Amino acid sequence: EPEVTQTPSHQVTQMGQEVILRCVPISNHLYFYWYRQILGQKVEFLVSFYNNEISEKSEIFDDQFSVERPDGSNFTLKIRSTKLEDSAMYFCASSETGQGNYGYTFGSGTRLTVV
Amino acid sequence: LAKTTQPISMDSYEGQEVNITCSHNNIATNDYITWYQQFPSQGPRFIIQGYKTKVTNEVASLFIPADRKSSTLSLPRVSLSDTAVYYCLVDTGNGNKLVFGAGTILRVKS
Repeated sequence: EPEVTQTPSHQVTQMGQEVILRCVPISNHLYFYWYRQILGQKVEFLVSFYNNEISEKSEIFDDQFSVERPDGSNFTLKIRSTKLEDSAMYFCASSETGQGNYGYTFGSGTRLTVV
Repeated sequence: LAKTTQPISMDSYEGQEVNITCSHNNIATNDYITWYQQFPSQGPRFIIQGYKTKVTNEVASLFIPADRKSSTLSLPRVSLSDTAVYYCLVDTGNGNKLVFGAGTILRVKS
């Protein structure tokens, strides 16, 4: 079964440092997403990406965040200057068509700890 | 986006059938109903999706009445490994975001 692959699985960083979380979506998928989940809380939408541009972003996704699909296979989330409250699980997801029937495939996540 | 309401938690025993009901009173005509499962420290996993009546796959069944204002996820003969959080979502399609609620914590006991 095709998978969404995320690296690293764990990342510890100091406050104020930049981090890049990496994702390899399923190869024939066209829609890409980042979500996050703070420990004990809901899964929250961050951003969606289609046709090489952001299609929607949440209030959480401020100027400190950016996404990129640099080479047609990777999909990255960059946090420029991390804050303590950015500590969370970050999940990448992809979807073949964005339409009903197929669901979204999520990766196993990157646990980001900001100290 | 239609809001969904589901029980906070449910307990069951191994071998039993578990039914989790979700209400989505404001579902729109083009919306699908989708259920995801999440284990601790893992990403949500797609279980099943439907538009109306009944959908069945190798994992679960989804029952949707004619008015589509609610849906029921049925898990046959649960095992300990089915202990997880189950999310009911309304999927508008077209690549739009998924909105997760708190989900239902299912605890399966031996």
